[in-house]
Amino acid sequence: DTAVSQTPKYLVTQMGNDKSIKCEQNLGHDTMYWYKQDSKKFLKIMFSYNNKELIINETVPNRFSPKSPDKAHLNLHINSLELGDSAVYFCASSQDRGGTYEQYFGPGTRLTVT
Amino acid sequence: GENVEQHPSTLSVQEGDSAVIKCTYSDSASNYFPWYKQELGKGPQLIIDIRSNVGEKKDQRIAVTLNKTAKHFSLHITETQPEDSAVYFCAASIRLTGGGNKLTFGTGTQLKVEL
Repeated sequence: DTAVSQTPKYLVTQMGNDKSIKCEQNLGHDTMYWYKQDSKKFLKIMFSYNNKELIINETVPNRFSPKSPDKAHLNLHINSLELGDSAVYFCASSQDRGGTYEQYFGPGTRLTVT
Repeated sequence: GENVEQHPSTLSVQEGDSAVIKCTYSDSASNYFPWYKQELGKGPQLIIDIRSNVGEKKDQRIAVTLNKTAKHFSLHITETQPEDSAVYFCAASIRLTGGGNKLTFGTGTQLKVEL
């Protein structure tokens, strides 16, 4: 009964490869997000989607391409992986609650690029 | 854009003592301020939040205060327990026209509760 789930939990790959991370939420929320947490634990928004429409793209390299097949899923595809892409990636979702949006996070995917 | 500063970066307290973490934000359009707790190897967990039209909110041992004029908000944990040890993040939220909100996070506070 996990609210926001991500797969895989760990991803180790070599520079230049292409990889995908999947996210699913069963909360019925209409907005989903991708965040990147670097080695210093700093959390930064990358993308947000509302009802499958892109809302935010925070100057993320175009090697990163999010895709939302439906409201419950938001996947992240990364092309030509670089060492600097190593981080923990979190998916989150939210729903309007009287003007505020409580965001709930998934367990994260630790990406290591060698 | 929004900038959120958080202090201290590390905080060590004795079990039973109180812990206070402070944040400031820059964008007056921010209208919602959540706090997250992140345990090792897990995702951030929402523990309490406050809207901009409220000055204080309490939930058992946790309380948050907001001073909109000064653009300050704080997290107070009383009667700390070892299981409170984690990294705590404050965030400031701006509602987006297309739906959802944009969270800008502080840099985190590593809280350690010692026996």
